[in-house]
Amino acid sequence: GQQVMQIPQYQHVQEGEDFTTYCNSSTTLSNIQWYKQRPGGHPVFLIQLVKSGEVKKQKRLTFQFGEAKKNSSLHITATQTTDVGTYFCAESYSGGGADGLTFGKGTHLIIQP
Amino acid sequence: DSGVTQTPKHLITATGQRVTLRCSPRSGDLSVYWYQQSLDQGLQFLIQYYNGEERAKGNILERFSAQQFPDLHSELNLSSLELGDSALYFCASSVGGITGYTFGSGTRLTVV
Repeated sequence: GQQVMQIPQYQHVQEGEDFTTYCNSSTTLSNIQWYKQRPGGHPVFLIQLVKSGEVKKQKRLTFQFGEAKKNSSLHITATQTTDVGTYFCAESYSGGGADGLTFGKGTHLIIQP
Repeated sequence: DSGVTQTPKHLITATGQRVTLRCSPRSGDLSVYWYQQSLDQGLQFLIQYYNGEERAKGNILERFSAQQFPDLHSELNLSSLELGDSALYFCASSVGGITGYTFGSGTRLTVV
């Protein structure tokens, strides 16, 4: 799988502010998945995006897949302390009987009350 | 509880030793994946099994091996352990194909 680049690596926000993390690839992605890992926890699947230009919402979270399928973003509106954690994007691939995920390095979201 | 069970949760061992990490996938999932997470390397894919067969290898060292048994549980064997092997080891499962993964709570390995 390709290496997906995530920015920023760290993001400090005040509670109530918005937050966005970006995932970029130099090549076209077949699809992208997003995961959240709370401190001391394990990654939890949030969503999968497949179509060009796709936008999906989960309450205060908005996920977008770029028109060229080379980038994706996760936006959180009005952050809460429960949003603290690391957000990973992951490129999924399938072929030769195998499938897998290549994860970005993640964006650590730190919220100051 | 995610449905993926990993044991043990914590493991402390000395350099040169061998350990076995165990994973039971979520009911109905045929694919098992092992990942290593360290502070500086993020989540690194190690190996995938599907219904008992090895399907893909990632950045897995020759000192490491894995298998998936007929009941679909999987074991990751780490031998000749080095200090740098200290990390969180996650097992994940899926039904196979391009779907979301369900991760276990991980095994924290500390090599001293």
